[in-house]
Amino acid sequence: DADVTQTPRNRITKTGKRIMLECSQTKGHDRMYWYRQDPGLGLRLIYYSFDVKDINKGEISDGYSVSRQAQAKFSLSLESAIPNQTALYFCATSDPSGGREFGELFFGEGSRLTVL
Amino acid sequence: AQTVTQSQPEMSVQEAETVTLSCTYDTSENNYYLFWYKQPPSRQMILVIRQEAYKQQNATENRFSVNFQKAAKSFSLKISDSQLGDTAMYFCAFMKVQGAQKLVFGQGTRLTINP
Repeated sequence: DADVTQTPRNRITKTGKRIMLECSQTKGHDRMYWYRQDPGLGLRLIYYSFDVKDINKGEISDGYSVSRQAQAKFSLSLESAIPNQTALYFCATSDPSGGREFGELFFGEGSRLTVL
Repeated sequence: AQTVTQSQPEMSVQEAETVTLSCTYDTSENNYYLFWYKQPPSRQMILVIRQEAYKQQNATENRFSVNFQKAAKSFSLKISDSQLGDTAMYFCAFMKVQGAQKLVFGQGTRLTINP
């Protein structure tokens, strides 16, 4: 099983609908992130969380909200989806404690969202 | 704010050739990490190689190596003896050590290895 699991992997929805993308991890990392990938723009940070009580906005948080239900779970919500939120969304985790994995992000397999 | 620029949207080479992907970044930080991530058609993001800014020696991982020029703020990736499985999007990323350790990504370079 994957260390970082995202659901759904693909979703088509309509403008105005509420959508939740879920992420769970078994790596035991405190830090979790949501990124959005668009062609020609790379990956941009939406929200990040350093523990259950610490949630921070990234560079493109407008139109999104998050919930850190537990150390292992971090969900992303689009309260009222719009077409320009069509993108590939990635959840990731990291371990800040040092060592050879310091700074490395561990990604889920992505959730492709299409808003019509 | 830090920025990362990949000026080559697409590249294409023949199998077994050597290819270099370019990346430049802008920062006032002195202590940071740089990364190259690979995204094959499966869309999974895979770490290829990392470089710590305070280390002068260029990082290498098998056929992958970097040319890190700190003064020029340049971080290129060289793939030697390219293979069909190297076909992917490649992203350069920057992370400062102090404060919130967030990765900032470049726009990506789509690399195609032709048989």
